[in-house]
Amino acid sequence: EVQLVQSGAEVKKPGESLKISCKGSGYSFTNYWIGWVRQMPGKGLEWMGIIYPGDSDTRYSPSFQGQVTISADKSISTAYLQWSSLKASDTAMYYCVRHSCGSTGCYVAYWGQGTLVIVSS
Amino acid sequence: QSALTQPPSVSGSPGQSVTISCTGSSSDVGSYNRVSWYQQPPGTAPKLMIYEVNNRPSGVPDRFSGSKSGNTASLTISGLQAEDEADYYCSSYTSSSTWVFGGGTKLTVL
Repeated sequence: EVQLVQSGAEVKKPGESLKISCKGSGYSFTNYWIGWVRQMPGKGLEWMGIIYPGDSDTRYSPSFQGQVTISADKSISTAYLQWSSLKASDTAMYYCVRHSCGSTGCYVAYWGQGTLVIVSS
Repeated sequence: QSALTQPPSVSGSPGQSVTISCTGSSSDVGSYNRVSWYQQPPGTAPKLMIYEVNNRPSGVPDRFSGSKSGNTASLTISGLQAEDEADYYCSSYTSSSTWVFGGGTKLTVL
């Protein structure tokens, strides 16, 4: 069974740095794209970016390029989402997602439980 | 890239059918059969309901079906049940090698 287990909720101040994690299990971690989706309070889903742990190929949505860093440590089957300087507007639920690939291409197939990030002074 | 366009809300009575549309462009929905749909009940993580336009993962009832015509994809839920009440999101692969979601549609079962 594919499982994505995310790190716990965080409360941070503006300007602070943060790295949240997502541990994958039940599948070969290096062979599937894994990434992140943001959901701001009361709003919709926003695809942020993904990484292929096998070769660290990383893709970002234009909206998030330069704003966050996605990385992975395949030795411990864990993906990360990182900020160097948080803003209040980063307050949101962040979902770890794993893509699957079918006959025509890949899609978001599995979701973690979510990590709530609150940024407030 | 802009979010795909979905109606903010739809509603239907138990037993009826509803259809949720998802309109993109020739850079996403129109060019790829990589449209998927997700169900998100309040306070929970989303769940995959349809992938590659019209395929259901195991465990998803056959009341859920998907289709696509041109730049618009659709999710149809037949035989509505109270448990179907949730937010629904579409998603598509894009020509930028990224993915994009729709704005979401709130389904109310009357």
